[in-house]
Amino acid sequence: DSGVTQTPKHLITATGQRVTLRCSPRSGDLSVYWYQQSLDQGLQFLIQYYNGEERAKGNILERFSAQQFPDLHSELNLSSLELGDSALYFCASSVHGATNEKLFFGSGTQLSVL
Amino acid sequence: GENVEQHPSTLSVQEGDSAVIKCTYSDSASNYFPWYKQELGKRPQLIIDIRSNVGEKKDQRIAVTLNKTAKHFSLHITETQPEDSAVYFCAAKRYSGGGADGLTFGKGTHLIIQP
Repeated sequence: DSGVTQTPKHLITATGQRVTLRCSPRSGDLSVYWYQQSLDQGLQFLIQYYNGEERAKGNILERFSAQQFPDLHSELNLSSLELGDSALYFCASSVHGATNEKLFFGSGTQLSVL
Repeated sequence: GENVEQHPSTLSVQEGDSAVIKCTYSDSASNYFPWYKQELGKRPQLIIDIRSNVGEKKDQRIAVTLNKTAKHFSLHITETQPEDSAVYFCAAKRYSGGGADGLTFGKGTHLIIQP
């Protein structure tokens, strides 16, 4: 167990809908990352937060947004869902979000868009 | 942005033999190169990492080498065992001034250890 908690584990929804994925980082970790994993694209970095503020942005679509709350948990919001958004979404955390820090991954949320 | 290429996509080796996975990166400013192992249905876990000021790092049966000039790095696993079967991801990251960019991962190598 990495100490990173993601909910829900599975999510099935329809095209056009909006969903929210939740992540609680390890105790003491200030930085949260979101990654999307699909068979054809591998692990894609979406966005990083550090202590409530956006730190870095990757290949995140405009339909997607995220935030980190004062208690350091984070939510990833996916809207106007398309079939191609079906993927495994991982949250990871690290202490300070520094370059060479080990990332601890959660067990992921499997999103299926039908 | 950074682009990481990983080869091969699938690697099958006999138990006890060595396995080598290679990655190249595009951004010469990248300075941190971790390797993650993902077993079937599980989360990625860091197995070894290397910084740009080091050419080689070893941890028991696992070693990583880095050639900054050629912009490539490799994972070497010796005396492979059945529990080494997994998908291995290389990644690259750079630190730029006010913040660190997220990791850019390769597409993964499915390592199969044949008994």
